Amino acid sequence: DGGITQSPKYLFRKEGQNVTLSCEQNLNHDAMYWYRQDPGQGLRLIYYSQIVNDFQKGDIAEGYSVSREKKESFPLTVTSAQKNPTAFYLCASRAPGLANTGELFFGEGSRLTVL
Amino acid sequence: GESVGLHLPTLSVQEGDNSIINCAYSNSASDYFIWYKQESGKGPQFIIDIRSNMDKRQGQRVTVLLNKTVKHLSLQIAATQPGDSAVYFCAEKKSNYQLIWGAGTKLIIKP
Repeated sequence: DGGITQSPKYLFRKEGQNVTLSCEQNLNHDAMYWYRQDPGQGLRLIYYSQIVNDFQKGDIAEGYSVSREKKESFPLTVTSAQKNPTAFYLCASRAPGLANTGELFFGEGSRLTVL
Repeated sequence: GESVGLHLPTLSVQEGDNSIINCAYSNSASDYFIWYKQESGKGPQFIIDIRSNMDKRQGQRVTVLLNKTVKHLSLQIAATQPGDSAVYFCAEKKSNYQLIWGAGTKLIIKP
């Protein structure tokens, strides 16, 4: 079945370590997104990519990095520069025909905890 | 500034009753709004959207109402079922690639 796969589902990290969260989609979508979700808050956009080899900063990009070498893959690296990385991270994509809407397809998320 | 807010963080509804989840927005120029449902431990799922040239839009058991005069949006769920338990988010379109998300309302269904 088509969808978005995020891994790992749970991740623990020591302070000072970089971690990479995987996001893979087989929906043939061009646009992909990374959001951060904190308890009791709405989603905040970290990075987005409209096409392969191109990506843009969102509202809270500091301390994060991404790459988009393949259409199917949009990994997110949480670097040691991110001051408060403990959060639930959500990857999403959007179908080409829905470019004028906000309809996104989300993965099941990755929960990162910094010890 | 831009913001999307919700009136109630938690809403408890009897099973079978109708649910109404409210949302306020501050940008009068916003032309597109969307509702998502997020079940525990999962990613959000699209429910319904509405453009500013409409006052009402209906889906399956859901209706979204838009009042541009008071910058208010609501999601109505008919005959609420246990499977409707979730956090509901409203969001407004900031640009073609960005949404501004509200904080969410948790809907609890009482048996």
